[in-house]
Amino acid sequence: GAGVSQTPSNKVTEKGKYVELRCDPISGHTALYWYRQSLGQGPEFLIYFQGTGAADDSGLPNDRFFAVRPEGSVSTLKIQRTERGDSAVYLCASSPQAGTYEQYFGPGTRLTVT
Amino acid sequence: AQSVTQLDSQVPVFEEAPVELRCNYSSSVSVYLFWYVQYPNQGLQLLLKYLSGSTLVKGINGFEAEFNKSQTSFHLRKPSVHISDTAEYFCAVTPDNYGQNFVFGPGTRLSVLP
Repeated sequence: GAGVSQTPSNKVTEKGKYVELRCDPISGHTALYWYRQSLGQGPEFLIYFQGTGAADDSGLPNDRFFAVRPEGSVSTLKIQRTERGDSAVYLCASSPQAGTYEQYFGPGTRLTVT
Repeated sequence: AQSVTQLDSQVPVFEEAPVELRCNYSSSVSVYLFWYVQYPNQGLQLLLKYLSGSTLVKGINGFEAEFNKSQTSFHLRKPSVHISDTAEYFCAVTPDNYGQNFVFGPGTRLSVLP
């Protein structure tokens, strides 16, 4: 079946602009996660959704970052007033339910802020 | 808070030789442990996980890992590697209290040489 998809695959934006990154989880998966991976580093947790609600957003670095999952399926990560330090690969993962501890990762969106 | 250390950033090994990728963690609470693999140009894939029970965990592609609570380690091993095992390997932990805030290590690049 279809895996986790993320769009766009690449995004180049200018400093100060607003960007939206989209994640389509595996159908039926109730848990959804966003991570950020900088070059040479492991994924860094940003936020976790169970259904429509953000159950843990402790990893969001500041209030420029926001994520939604209005219908419990597709999620959008929104970054306002982008900074060069936001450049990274943004990864999305989904899980059948949180207690399985089995995350299925998408290919990521590479964000470059110039 | 948790942290994960992968002391070896790169591990070169010849084909059919054994390999061990080291992972140590720090946590004030009990954790669940995971190994993920990232093949070139692909998303992260779960190799194996330790939630409870036997401390020796077997995963996909012939990999296994052993949880050692006293040494706070979860080293990954394979008795005979193949060229196709060339990839980046990430160790990760999360609190065992249904937390979903996964902490990943920086990764180890395994290069299998012919």
